Amino acid sequence: NAGVTQTPKFQVLKTGQSMTLQCAQDMNHNSMYWYRQDPGMGLRLIYYSASEGTTDKGEVPNGYNVSRLNKREFSLRLESAAPSQTSVYFCASSEAGDFYGYTFGSGTRLTVV
Amino acid sequence: AQSVSQHNHHVILSEAASLELGCNYSYGGTVNLFWYVQYPGQHLQLLLKYFSGDPLVKGIKGFEAEFIKSKFSFNLRKPSVQWSDTAEYFCAVNAPGTYKYIFGTGTRLKVLA
Repeated sequence: NAGVTQTPKFQVLKTGQSMTLQCAQDMNHNSMYWYRQDPGMGLRLIYYSASEGTTDKGEVPNGYNVSRLNKREFSLRLESAAPSQTSVYFCASSEAGDFYGYTFGSGTRLTVV
Repeated sequence: AQSVSQHNHHVILSEAASLELGCNYSYGGTVNLFWYVQYPGQHLQLLLKYFSGDPLVKGIKGFEAEFIKSKFSFNLRKPSVQWSDTAEYFCAVNAPGTYKYIFGTGTRLKVLA
């Protein structure tokens, strides 16, 4: 099925460990995004990539890095995980142009202990 | 800076009751407006969107929303809710020409059978 695929679905890390969250879309969308969802805070944008070869910071970029590997893939890396990064992470993609809305992936539930 | 306010954080209704969820945004220019729904354990899905034309927008599953420019509001409505509408609802705004969407903090709806 066409859509946005995220891996892994669940992950537990120890403080200080690193990991990469993977995201791939097969809809030929130009723009891709990483959000985190925390109770009572809604979704907050971490990083986005308006098109292949570009990335920009969102609201809460500290502690994260991203790579737009190609048009399909956009990964999020935590270099040194902290408990404050415990969250649900969603990847999304959209057509170029702002009124199409997002297609979201199914999310990664990350716990940092 | 753009912001989105959803004042109702938790709403409990009985089946067949009418629903109205508030959404107000802060932005001086033209905006695109969205409502997303997140069913328990799932990712966000687009319910409906407004970017121009008729301010009354109809979406999936019997939902509709009305854009009132003078009030900076985009409230979500449904005449008769069902148990299956139990979910979290997010309002989002996007300024034309930008790639970033700003999400509200969400309203958790519980429908009692």
